[in-house]
Amino acid sequence: NAGVTQTPKFQVLKTGQSMTLQCAQDMNHNSMYWYRQDPGMGLRLIYYSASEGTTDKGEVPNGYNVSRLNKREFSLRLESAAPSQTSVYFCASNPGQGYNEQFFGPGTRLTVL
Amino acid sequence: TQLLEQSPQFLSIQEGENLTVYCNSSSVFSSLQWYRQEPGEGPVLLVTVVTGGEVKKLKRLTFQFGDARKDSSLHITAAQPGDTGLYLCAGVFNKFYFGSGTKLNVKP
Repeated sequence: NAGVTQTPKFQVLKTGQSMTLQCAQDMNHNSMYWYRQDPGMGLRLIYYSASEGTTDKGEVPNGYNVSRLNKREFSLRLESAAPSQTSVYFCASNPGQGYNEQFFGPGTRLTVL
Repeated sequence: TQLLEQSPQFLSIQEGENLTVYCNSSSVFSSLQWYRQEPGEGPVLLVTVVTGGEVKKLKRLTFQFGDARKDSSLHITAAQPGDTGLYLCAGVFNKFYFGSGTKLNVKP
């Protein structure tokens, strides 16, 4: 089992460019999450999907869109990147019940110039 | 504003010392989790505490959930260089709310 995989690992964008971060899990989990991690801020939830076919906003959704393509895949799109979106992005999944463990991917380090 | 405040933010100690990291909130959580994150990787779950007053031990790590389920602490006995990393607490209430983290460096 690969667990949670994310692509790409690193990306540099210019202001105004768009891109999609990909995430896939092979654990048959129902819930998937996108977080961003900035120095001194811990992890902040951008969007989550409690189950296939549903998505909801988290703490910091502005400037992002998501797609739960199927049970395995959950993508995060930046339509017009801004320097404030420079961050490390983590995808996570869990079985979907209460306080189960979250399993994290290795992260994507994004720089917006 | 962070829902969960962790202290201290940074901690640098010598191998063999003891330390305690705190995670505080004004909100009540159904459970609280502690994760450890190493550079270039995602966080990995260490423990989940569910009941107010609960204490869990994982080798040299002791985790406690406050009686009111608003706060938690992580105590490490005889720290080792392998304990170096970022420690994150996460409160669970429908979603997961993460603290800002404590960066621990254990020097040999």
